[in-house]
Formats: sequence, C-alpha cells, structure tokens
Amino acid sequence: QVQLQQSGPGLVKPSQTLSLTCAISGDSVSSNSAAWNWIRQSPSRGLEWLGRTYYRSKWYNDYAVSVKSRITINPDTSKNQFSLQLNSVTPEDTAVYYCARALNWGAAYYFDYWGQGTLVTVSS
Amino acid sequence: EIVMTQSPATLSVSPGERATLSCRASQSVSSNLAWYQQKPGQAPRLLIYGASTRATGIPARFSGSGSGTEFTLTISSLQSEDFAVYYCQQYNNWPPIFTFGPGTKVDIK
Repeated sequence: QVQLQQSGPGLVKPSQTLSLTCAISGDSVSSNSAAWNWIRQSPSRGLEWLGRTYYRSKWYNDYAVSVKSRITINPDTSKNQFSLQLNSVTPEDTAVYYCARALNWGAAYYFDYWGQGTLVTVSS
Repeated sequence: EIVMTQSPATLSVSPGERATLSCRASQSVSSNLAWYQQKPGQAPRLLIYGASTRATGIPARFSGSGSGTEFTLTISSLQSEDFAVYYCQQYNNWPPIFTFGPGTKVDIK
C-alpha cells in the first residue's frame, strides 16, 4: 500500500519561498512507471496541477506554465521523497497543496495515491 | 490549452436514484480521462481511468463512458457515502499537462 506523507509550514510570508516535502512509503521515487506530482486546490482556481518529477533512466521534470518561472520539484532518493519549492509567493498562492503519485497507464497518467493535503496561507 | 467543463454544477439526487454527470473537453483527449470523488477535508480519490476502467476497490455502481470530447460518469444507485464533489481530469501527452474540470457537487435531494 502506497502512502504519501506531506510536511512543511502552513504559513508563508509574501515574496518568500513555499517549501513542502512528500515522503513516500510502499513505492520508490525512482520508479520507472510512476511520476511524482504536486497539485493545489483553492476556491478560485479549483484543482491545479503544478508539476511532476519522474525517473526514466534519467530524471525529468515538467511544470505548469502558470508557475514555471517560480517552481522547482526535486527528488531525494536517499530519503525516498520529493519536494516542492515555489518562489516569490503572493496571497494568490494560498491553497491546499497535495502531493500525488501518477501511474502510467497506456498513453496517460492518473493520480492514484494522494497525500493528506497541507493548507498553505500566504500572509504577512 | 484544453479546457474541461462539467455539468451540472450541482446535482440533487435522492438515495437509491441514478446520477449522471457530464464532462466535456474543448478538444479531443481520446480516452485519456479520469474521474475523482472528493469529500470535505479529504484528498480526491480516483474512481475511473481510461474513461471507463474502475480503479481498484471502486464499487460496480460507478461506471464511466465516452471518448474524444464527451464523457459521462454514472452512479447507478446512489448510496449515502456517494454524496460528494466529482471531478474529471484529462492528461495531455505533449506538452505534458493535467487539467481538471470545475467539479459537480452531488447532494441529497
């Protein structure tokens, strides 16, 4: 059974960096069939995919256009986890942030396991 | 950019009745579509992937159909635990992007 455990602060000041970590059990961040994602949810933006990291003989990252200039997702193979950094945050980045595993099926990926969610509020 | 729309925004259904939820893509996504259920305070839960394949442990009363731009999630006989918000999600291979619909809330009539 795959479990994803999120950690990180719930309050970030404007212009600072939002940092979250997702610890994986029951699978490997280096899996050749999964991708490791960050997704956020807010009343104004709904569910919004932010980006992913995955390993296919080497590491790849893909990011949503809306955050591409501000986001970094990194794997940590020594701890079997991955992290999110979102720079220069504004109040519009206030949301519940989820990590999620996306499993490859055919030509697509679907989110089959999710973390518990972290409410991150951007406020001074 | 592919835009996902869902209808209706809210569906009021009595327990035991059938619920039919719709999802439309602004351009063809083939069968690269999933449905999720979300209850208050919880993460979304995968119900259907590949437009019509039930995820592990999902009851048979949930079924998905469609391809291209029009998709349907049917709950054949609503149970009390099925009252929730349902989202569709598409995956585009290039550029790689996941897009969710705005959701349909199924509440008790």
